[in-house]
Amino acid sequence: KQEVTQIPAALSVPEGENLVLNCSFTDSAIYNLQWFRQDPGKGLTSLLLIQSSQREQTSGRLNASLDKSSGRSTLYIAASQPGDSATYLCAPIGGSTLGRLYFGRGTQLTVWP
Amino acid sequence: GAGVSQSPSNKVTEKGKDVELRCDPISGHTALYWYRQSLGQGLEFLIYFQGNSAPDKSGLPSDRFSAERTGGSVSTLTIQRTQQEDSAVYLCASSLTGRSNSGNTIYFGEGSWLTVV
Repeated sequence: KQEVTQIPAALSVPEGENLVLNCSFTDSAIYNLQWFRQDPGKGLTSLLLIQSSQREQTSGRLNASLDKSSGRSTLYIAASQPGDSATYLCAPIGGSTLGRLYFGRGTQLTVWP
Repeated sequence: GAGVSQSPSNKVTEKGKDVELRCDPISGHTALYWYRQSLGQGLEFLIYFQGNSAPDKSGLPSDRFSAERTGGSVSTLTIQRTQQEDSAVYLCASSLTGRSNSGNTIYFGEGSWLTVV
């Protein structure tokens, strides 16, 4: 079974800081990895999808990297803003259980003005 | 529709009653997932449908839970004889295909919030 760990569990920073959110997973035989954000009382919003053949993906102020062999992914948030406050979840896809996403507990981010 | 649609958005039911939760995936998406999230907890896998293949039901917590997907599109999650521990938000997601190397983004709905009293 895929085990996903996200560090830190919570992060509280002033706006403007550059942030690093870490995700590690035990089954490296994945095909894709997707990062999501979840706002309180809401569903999950997709941020970035990285295919196993890629090492990183960028969308605006977000950059996600993937090191499949070591079972790690990192989400970088540049110049953080209060609107970035949410819980961030990573989900490796594929591996021994095709099609199922396994989620970590997430990183709860608070960016204060 | 433009996104994954779930109904009802909120449901309060009495213990022992049956409930049905509906998911309309994005048009053309062959893969459909159900997850649930209890208050303050992580996401728990329930069931996965891929096209006409037999679904992966390994995440269903008990035989009170069942799901079907009619015509390869709409899915219904049914919980029989609801218990208070079933209170959670039930999230549905879909993707173009769940097959390997597809590189297809998975999209979630806003969820159905179930409260069993």
